Amino acid sequence: QKEVEQNSGPLSVPEGAIASLNCTYSDRGSQSFFWYRQYSGKSPELIMFIYSNGDKEDGRFTAQLNKASQYVSLLIRDSQPSDSATYLCAVRETDKLIFGTGTRLQVFP
Amino acid sequence: GAGVSQSPRYKVAKRGQDVALRCDPISGHVSLFWYQQALGQGPEFLTYFQNEAQLDKSGLPSDRFFAERPEGSVSTLKIQRTQQEDSAVYLCASSLGRRETQYFGPGTRLLVL
Repeated sequence: QKEVEQNSGPLSVPEGAIASLNCTYSDRGSQSFFWYRQYSGKSPELIMFIYSNGDKEDGRFTAQLNKASQYVSLLIRDSQPSDSATYLCAVRETDKLIFGTGTRLQVFP
Repeated sequence: GAGVSQSPRYKVAKRGQDVALRCDPISGHVSLFWYQQALGQGPEFLTYFQNEAQLDKSGLPSDRFFAERPEGSVSTLKIQRTQQEDSAVYLCASSLGRRETQYFGPGTRLLVL
């Protein structure tokens, strides 16, 4: 069973700080990686996807991929209390997504 | 436009009861996925349709679970003889194509007593 690992947290950061969320995966052949945000009691919402090594930026969010180390991260700049949620890392395996358990982020004022 | 919709949003079932969960994908999306999310866990894949064809059902936990999408649009996930361990949120996702972005519905929260 191919695996996606995340620290469950909670990760607590002050408002305005950078939040760094990390994810490792077991299948060296994986090509497509996704970050979803899930508010309590709600469904996952796609934040970013990344396919190539390096950084991909979208507003306050930056996804980083290192295929050699089998490592994906999500940076959230200028964190806001509204960013408080669980962040799910997912890897595509053929057509389906394999999710990690998620990291709970808490941004305090 | 309308997103993925699911019904019912909440379902309480007695152990041994059969349940049916419905998913309406985004219009035009040919791929439809079902996931199960237990409390404190990430979603786990159950099954996947491309139009009306069920291409992968490797994640269905037992033969009590059955899914269909007869006309390539609405899908139903049926659980027969529910057990307490079936209690979870059942998420449906759809995408334009097999490897396009998956968009999730609000989920059906199933509680088996």
